[in-house]
Parts: sequence; C-alpha cells; structure tokens
Amino acid sequence: GAVVSQHPSRVICKSGTSVKIECRSLDFQATTMFWYRQFPKQSLMLMATSNEGSKATYEQGVEKDKFLINHASLTLSTLTVTSAHPEDSSFYICSARDDWGANQPQHFGDGTRLSIL
Amino acid sequence: EDKVVQSPLSLVVHEGDTVTLNCSYEVTNFRSLLWYKQEKKAPTFLFMLTSSGIEKKSGRLSSILDKKELSSILNITATQTGDSAIYLCAVDDVINTGTASKLTFGTGTRLQVTL
Repeated sequence: GAVVSQHPSRVICKSGTSVKIECRSLDFQATTMFWYRQFPKQSLMLMATSNEGSKATYEQGVEKDKFLINHASLTLSTLTVTSAHPEDSSFYICSARDDWGANQPQHFGDGTRLSIL
Repeated sequence: EDKVVQSPLSLVVHEGDTVTLNCSYEVTNFRSLLWYKQEKKAPTFLFMLTSSGIEKKSGRLSSILDKKELSSILNITATQTGDSAIYLCAVDDVINTGTASKLTFGTGTRLQVTL
C-alpha cells in the first residue's frame, strides 16, 4: 500500500529556532502533498497544499512566511516553521496522494509533534 | 464554507458490541467521502466512497454513502479493544471546478471498547 514517511517524529526546541519537517512518499509519486496541523482533541486543519515545482497554496489565516513549504521533487515536501514560538507547538501531519489513477485517497505520515519551549 | 459533522462525539461500548458512526456534510463540489482511523499517530485510511448506496467492506468494518441525505455511516461489528481510536470522516471537495481538491475533516468520534 501507499506509504508516507514523515521525519522527525518529535522535536523539542527553544523559542526562535527554525524547524524543518520532511514528508516523503516512499512507493509512489505525489505531485501534490498536504500539510495539516492538529491541536489536542481537535480535528486536522489543512494549512497548505504543496505543489511540486510551484508555490504552495496556503489556507486562509496561515502565514506563508512563517510556514515555508518546498516541494522540490515528486516524492519530497518539506515544511519549515521559521522562528518558532510556543504557540506554534502542535502536531503537524503531512499527507500525499498517488498521482497514478484518478481520485486517489490521501495517505498520511506519522506526524511530527513539535514542542517549543 | 465546507462543513463535516460527526456524531456521536464519543462512545464507550463493550467488546463484541456493534457500533454505528455517523457523518454528515455540506460541501460545494463533492468528489468523495473518506473514513480514517486515528490512534496515537496520524490517520490510517479505511474507506473512500464516491457512489451512493454501494457498501464498502473490510473485515468487521463497513461503510456506505447516501448522497441524497449528504451523509455516511461507518459500522463496526463484533468490536474489539483494538478498535479503540478516533474515527475521522473527511470529504474531498473539488476546488474551482478543476482537478485540485482538498479534504475537510470532521471533529471525529472517539470510540472506546472495553472488556
């Protein structure tokens, strides 16, 4: 089945640090990947859609200069939380959709738990 | 604004019981409805439904979509403790009549199966 790998699984760092999270589709190509954020006991909120070779599409209210997305290849997207602060602490999850075939489901990585001290 | 509502919010059942989880939606350009199971980490895919009235089944889990009622149910029969998780419903909505789409998630149903 479709496997999405996300790394790292957990990050604890000081305020002001920039943190990079990687999302890889291991056995399929993904022109489009998605980045979500999940607060405790809440559902997943889409932050942005990552498009290979072009700019990401950000959801309303998400600062593109704060959450930098790069999708340089068909199997890798990265999210960089720049100058992170305690309010950025959250569970970040990526997903990818197989390019092959129409109407494929999104498959999710295992998530990254980010804690900013 | 797209909306996905799940009920109940939480449920506690005994092992062996059958449960039915509900999902209703309001979206602009419906493409499909998906069910995911989330335990400690990220969601794992269960079903994708595109056509009304066709049941999808995987072991003790099954799901069906009703496009007229804008809803779906997820059934779990003979529940086991390993079924304890949050079950998320999401609707894939086409953006601007193109090929791009995005998921809108419900808040989930937290299921706890006890011995």
